[in-house]
Order: sequence, then C-alpha cells, then structure tokens
Amino acid sequence: QLQLQESGPGLVKPSETLSLTCTVSGGSISSSPYHWGWIRQPPGKGLEWIGTIYYSGSTYYNPSLKSRLTISVDTSKNQFSLRLSSVTAADTAVYYCGRHPGYSYGYIDYWGQGTLVTVSS
Amino acid sequence: ETVMTQSPATLSVSPGERATLSCRASQTVRSNLAWYQQKPGQAPRLLIYGASTRATGIPARFSGSGSGTEYTLTISSLQSEDFAVYYCQQYNNWPPFTFGPGTKVHIK
Repeated sequence: QLQLQESGPGLVKPSETLSLTCTVSGGSISSSPYHWGWIRQPPGKGLEWIGTIYYSGSTYYNPSLKSRLTISVDTSKNQFSLRLSSVTAADTAVYYCGRHPGYSYGYIDYWGQGTLVTVSS
Repeated sequence: ETVMTQSPATLSVSPGERATLSCRASQTVRSNLAWYQQKPGQAPRLLIYGASTRATGIPARFSGSGSGTEYTLTISSLQSEDFAVYYCQQYNNWPPFTFGPGTKVHIK
C-alpha cells in the first residue's frame, strides 16, 4: 500500500524559507506515469494546489506561487521536496503531499496525512 | 484561471436521505473533474474522477455526473460516516489545478 509522509519544521519565521519533504513508501517515486504534488490548506479554509513534479525533474507550478517556489525530487531516497521562500502569515497552512495518476491527471489519489506549518516570529 | 464554485455552502441532511451537491466551473472542464471528501483533521479522500468514475473502494452510494461547466455529486442514502466537507477540483485547464470552496454536509 502506497504511503506518503510529510516532514519538516512546524514553525517558520516571516521572510524565511519553508522547506518540507515527502517520503514515499510502498512504491517507487520513479514509477511511470505517476507525478507527485503538493497541496496546502490554510486553517479553516479550502485547498490550493502548489505544484507537481515528475521523477525526471519536470515541474509544474501554481503561477501565484511560482516566483517563490522550488520543488525537487531525490529518486535515491524516494522523496520529493518543497521550498517556498519569503514566507508570510498567509503561507500558514496544512501542507499535503500526494500522488497524481499521471501527467495532466491533476487529481490526487493518494495523500499524506498533512503537516501544519505556522509562519510566525 | 478556472474558478470553481460550489453550492450550497452548507447542507443539512438526515441519515438515510439523499444529498445533492453542485459544482460549477467558470469555463468548460470537459469532465476533468474530481470530488473529494474531507473529515476534520484528515487529508481529503478521492471519491470521483473523470466526473463520474468512482475511485477504488468508494461505495456505490456516491455518484458523479455532469458535463461542460456543471457537475453534481449525489450521495444516495447518507450514512453517519458521510458527514464531512466535499470539494470539487478541475484538472482540465492548468496550471493551476483549482478547487471549489467546499460544501459542508452536516446532520439535520
């Protein structure tokens, strides 16, 4: 059974960089045609797609976050990562990682449990 | 960006009753539409993709329909475990993939 687990600091200071890693188990991150994505949810609010990566390194970003966002993959560790720079309180959210069934298949069929990241001094 | 709207925002339903949730897109999404269920403190769970295909393990009481810009999720007979928030998501016009604001289904 495929499992995804987010990890990283739960508290980040304003203007600093938020970094999270998603570890995939029960399957290979290099399996075609799966893509791997990040989604976030501010407390009490709805869902926002952040970006997606393929094991080859191809990335697709939300234009609203693109200037601050980097998503990378480490196939040797079966992990992919998110870096969001210059964070503000508006970036406070539960961050989820998940699997897309394929390119342009934007829905998520497997989700991590989510991790709360709070931006505060 | 394709803007998704959902109605109603809140739906009060008695157990055993039918629930009908609506999702509208600001432009056609050509049935590239998914539905998720989310319970408090949990990640969303995929229910429907391709507007009408149930995901693995999803009970038959959940069904999806629609085309173009108008989509519907129907829960034929609500069970206690179905009280949750439901989100639609389009994946036709991207980036970005976009979600609706959600419909909360609670016990009447």
